[in-house]
Amino acid sequence: KAGVTQTPRYLIKTRGQQVTLSCSPISGHRSVSWYQQTPGQGLQFLFEYFSETQRNKGNFPGRFSGRQFSNSRSEMNVSTLELGDSALYLCASSPGPGQGGTEAFFGQGTRLTVV
Amino acid sequence: DAKTTQPPSMDCAEGRAANLPCNHSTISGNEYVYWYRQIHSQGPQYIIHGLKNNETNEMASLIITEDRKSSTLILPHATLRDTAVYYCIVRVASGWTDKLIFGTGTRLQVFP
Repeated sequence: KAGVTQTPRYLIKTRGQQVTLSCSPISGHRSVSWYQQTPGQGLQFLFEYFSETQRNKGNFPGRFSGRQFSNSRSEMNVSTLELGDSALYLCASSPGPGQGGTEAFFGQGTRLTVV
Repeated sequence: DAKTTQPPSMDCAEGRAANLPCNHSTISGNEYVYWYRQIHSQGPQYIIHGLKNNETNEMASLIITEDRKSSTLILPHATLRDTAVYYCIVRVASGWTDKLIFGTGTRLQVFP
């Protein structure tokens, strides 16, 4: 069974640009969550999607957005990049909300560097 | 805000048991305790979870106190590859979200 796939693994962008990151969940999983990890703030929840709907959102500015497709694949977008957006972006896949007795599986992340 | 408290760091000799404590004194009746670990710059790896009873799998054992206000993750025979940051998380068992709230975790260093 394939794991969670995130692409690209590494990315370098310039301030002011926008970026799109992709996440393919484990087959059969319908919930995708995104997290940002920085040395200063640790792992922070960005948002989660289930059945193409955003179910929950963390405390991030509107420059951060996402979507989920009918095949459960998800993308997140960051517009007008700032230096502080440099981080490891992680995607987690799980069967769906309300199933707290199951684990979430993480991808290897996308390392974004903004210069 | 994180709902768990963990020591920032611990050391363990290779081959010995590593016992990682976690305090979750405000845990609700419908919240599970989950443990993940993260090896440098990789995605977090699921280890184990439990609700009330102690749990064991091929990686670790989870001991939850009777009042559920704290738990201990036990790696029975630590190896150098177990060096990582270990996160204890509480997560609702039902409802609207799969959101995980990470704290600062415990950095476990296994030494030869």
